[in-house]
Amino acid sequence: ETGVTQSPTHLIKTRGQQVTLRCSSQSGHNTVSWYQQALGQGPQFIFQYYREEENGRGNFPPRFSGLQFPNYSSELNVNALELDDSALYLCASTLGAGDALQYFGPGTRLTVL
Amino acid sequence: GENVEQHPSTLSVQEGDSAVIKCTYSDSASNYFPWYKQELGKGPQLIIDIRSNVGEKKDQRIAVTLNKTAKHFSLHITETQPEDSAVYFCAASMVGSARQLTFGSGTQLTVLP
Repeated sequence: ETGVTQSPTHLIKTRGQQVTLRCSSQSGHNTVSWYQQALGQGPQFIFQYYREEENGRGNFPPRFSGLQFPNYSSELNVNALELDDSALYLCASTLGAGDALQYFGPGTRLTVL
Repeated sequence: GENVEQHPSTLSVQEGDSAVIKCTYSDSASNYFPWYKQELGKGPQLIIDIRSNVGEKKDQRIAVTLNKTAKHFSLHITETQPEDSAVYFCAASMVGSARQLTFGSGTQLTVLP
């Protein structure tokens, strides 16, 4: 186990709703990245948070937003959910922003109906 | 941006045989190449990684080779066991503030007893 935890495990929402996913990073890690993994595909980078600031963003619209807290835990918020947002959302923690080694949590399975 | 291609998409081998998965990347600035194993319902687990200043790395039955000139890297698993059955992802990361990972599309490895 990596020590990265995510909640909830599963979530079902309807189109147009908003959702918040949570991640606790591995002890000592100050950087959290979020990835979206659609069924049968590799994870895609959403954004990264380092010391409570967004430190990089992939090709995702602004309705995907995040937060990082002083204890380095993080939230991913998605507004105006669309059917294509159905995916496994993965959180990865890193010792520091310049460190490439990332440890993944178990993910949150989001289903949008 | 970076693009990572992975082959094959599925691979079946007999227990005890070797398995090889290949990936190519597009951006010569990438310098870190991890391999992840993902079992059903779980997050990706790092199994081995290699940096661009190294051509080969081995850890027990697992090895990774890197050819920077050709921009490709490969995962080799020897003496395969049924518990090696999973989806394997290659990824690439380049120097930069976020060190985001760009993943391949995955290989479903099945080890037949």
